[in-house]
Amino acid sequence: GAGVSQTPSNKVTEKGKYVELRCDPISGHTALYWYRQSLGQGPEFLIYFQGTGAADDSGLPNDRFFAVRPEGSVSTLKIQRTERGDSAVYLCASSLGGGGTYEQYFGPGTRLTVT
Amino acid sequence: GQQVMQIPQYQHVQEGEDFTTYCNSSTTLSNIQWYKQRPGGHPVFLIQLVKSGEVKKQKRLTFQFGEAKKNSSLHITATQTTDVGTYFCAGLYAGNMLTFGGGTRLMVKP
Repeated sequence: GAGVSQTPSNKVTEKGKYVELRCDPISGHTALYWYRQSLGQGPEFLIYFQGTGAADDSGLPNDRFFAVRPEGSVSTLKIQRTERGDSAVYLCASSLGGGGTYEQYFGPGTRLTVT
Repeated sequence: GQQVMQIPQYQHVQEGEDFTTYCNSSTTLSNIQWYKQRPGGHPVFLIQLVKSGEVKKQKRLTFQFGEAKKNSSLHITATQTTDVGTYFCAGLYAGNMLTFGGGTRLMVKP
């Protein structure tokens, strides 16, 4: 079956612009996670959805970052007024259940470059 | 905040040698997961450990969870070039999110 997909695979934007990153989880997975990974580091948790609601958004760095999952499937991570420090690979993962106790399936990521 | 420390950061081995990476937390973990990320790829789940003192094996890979549930290790016997990649541990504290370690990058010389 299809795995987690993310679009676009690469995004280059200018400082100050708005970007949207999309994640299509595995069908039937109720939990969805967003992470950010900088070069040479481990994935850093951003937000976790259980169904349509954000169960834990404690990892979002500031109010420029926002994510939605309106129908409990596809999710969009939105970044306003991008800064050069936002450059990283943004990973999405989904799992059958939540709470961090299930295997997480990661997508290929979106590489965001802010110039 | 809660942190998961992983050592070493890098490891070069000759093909056929063994490899071990260690993961440490200052506070007790609910569980720990291990992932492998190939160069240019995304993390892929390897295993989850839940019980104190648990040991699990997958072919040449042996995973251990410490008695106090504060540390874990991954040992690879007789490395192969296909083992190349970065190995991450990810610990679960009370709550919903996994905290990833910084990873150990394994390089294998044929």
